[in-house]
Amino acid sequence: NAGVMQNPRHLVRRRGQEARLRCSPVKGHSHVYWYRQLPEEGLKFMVYLQKENIIDESGMPKERFSAEFPKEGPSILRIQQVVRGDSAAYFCASSPIPSSSGNTIYFGEGSWLTVV
Amino acid sequence: GENVEQHPSTLSVQEGDSAVIKCTYSDSASNYFPWYKQELGKRPQLIIDIRSNVGEKKDQRIAVTLNKTAKHFSLHITETQPEDSAVYFCAASIGGGSNYKLTFGKGTLLTVNP
Repeated sequence: NAGVMQNPRHLVRRRGQEARLRCSPVKGHSHVYWYRQLPEEGLKFMVYLQKENIIDESGMPKERFSAEFPKEGPSILRIQQVVRGDSAAYFCASSPIPSSSGNTIYFGEGSWLTVV
Repeated sequence: GENVEQHPSTLSVQEGDSAVIKCTYSDSASNYFPWYKQELGKRPQLIIDIRSNVGEKKDQRIAVTLNKTAKHFSLHITETQPEDSAVYFCAASIGGGSNYKLTFGKGTLLTVNP
């Protein structure tokens, strides 16, 4: 879905620095999902947020990772004290209010994080 | 939790041939099965999906079949073209309000040789 905007597209951080990845959902969508793709692997679910609420963070690492979706502005995925293993592509998706039959997930263009 | 296995990991075909990618899943509660195509450095793009009340779905050269009893589903691409070359991912979720929580296979690198 071309409407999901992510930035930066590419980010290089040194070990120990912080990485902030931003996701602007499709206009009118109030649900945001973050996935991570390690090199040569499939995507793995991280977190599901609605405006000002974390609904499901079962895929988030327990430490250093946090996510928010404020009332105004984009959703932000924050990684503190990055390590080389955090190098991955981070994809965001959005949807309107989920229907009983579920929503099709369309991903944004992704943010590629490289930790050196 | 759900576990999705995908085979083969690489597939090479001649232009015009058919390609088949197979996936199995473990959670019998899963009822939503999308397929994504990802080109190098790009986002995964949804190409087709199927829900558990349907056994087969077709969209031009692409078809997906689902066998809920055996817990497997397959992607079929006919008359392959070089632009079909990409990594293909299958995924599964329990659907409904939890459709967002997709479990992905590890991907199949499809190469279509001209």
